[in-house]
Amino acid sequence: RKEVEQDPGPFNVPEGATVAFNCTYSNSASQSFFWYRQDCRKEPKLLMSVYSSGNEDGRFTAQLNRASQYISLLIRDSKLSDSATYLCVVRSGSQGNLIFGKGTKLSVKP
Amino acid sequence: GAGVSQSPSNKVTEKGKDVELRCDPISGHTALYWYRQRLGQGLEFLIYFQGNSAPDKSGLPSDRFSAERTGESVSTLTIQRTQQEDSAVYLCASSLVAGGGNIQYFGAGTRLSVL
Repeated sequence: RKEVEQDPGPFNVPEGATVAFNCTYSNSASQSFFWYRQDCRKEPKLLMSVYSSGNEDGRFTAQLNRASQYISLLIRDSKLSDSATYLCVVRSGSQGNLIFGKGTKLSVKP
Repeated sequence: GAGVSQSPSNKVTEKGKDVELRCDPISGHTALYWYRQRLGQGLEFLIYFQGNSAPDKSGLPSDRFSAERTGESVSTLTIQRTQQEDSAVYLCASSLVAGGGNIQYFGAGTRLSVL
């Protein structure tokens, strides 16, 4: 089983749609969780950290279920500019590298 | 003050040649990471440095790959005797310190093409 798994998509949605991405991770000792966004041929950029209680940033809501080792990202009222690949990212230890999922590609159409 | 800087942005080399990639982290960031991203694939961890501690080299794919960092500044990733499968974007990231919720900020990457 891969350490971080995501549905690769692509998700093709119209503007204004609500879309949800899911991610599972294999290491129950994982401690930190993030969603990064990567535009085509660009570097990944942090979208938001994911907290145990769930957190919201504008149209974006992230949730974590430690028991199920599951992370989600919800995007409401999607915009054309939301088109990108969304990377689920996990840090397993108290230090060190991030483990990236392969990403879920989102394409928002007019 | 700027973000993570990587050079060159693009590198084309012939199979068998050595290449050296450079990363300038954000000033004051003690942790520095190298990742590789092949076309259409996810990011693959290579190595990370934290201050003066021994680097975590667990992600380096072969002994042709090595990296150095001078203090808490510039890092170079060296690939010896390049192979076609080394073609990828090599991304460097830095964070204030390693671990916890510390955010990693990425450079724009070096796109390596091995002919």
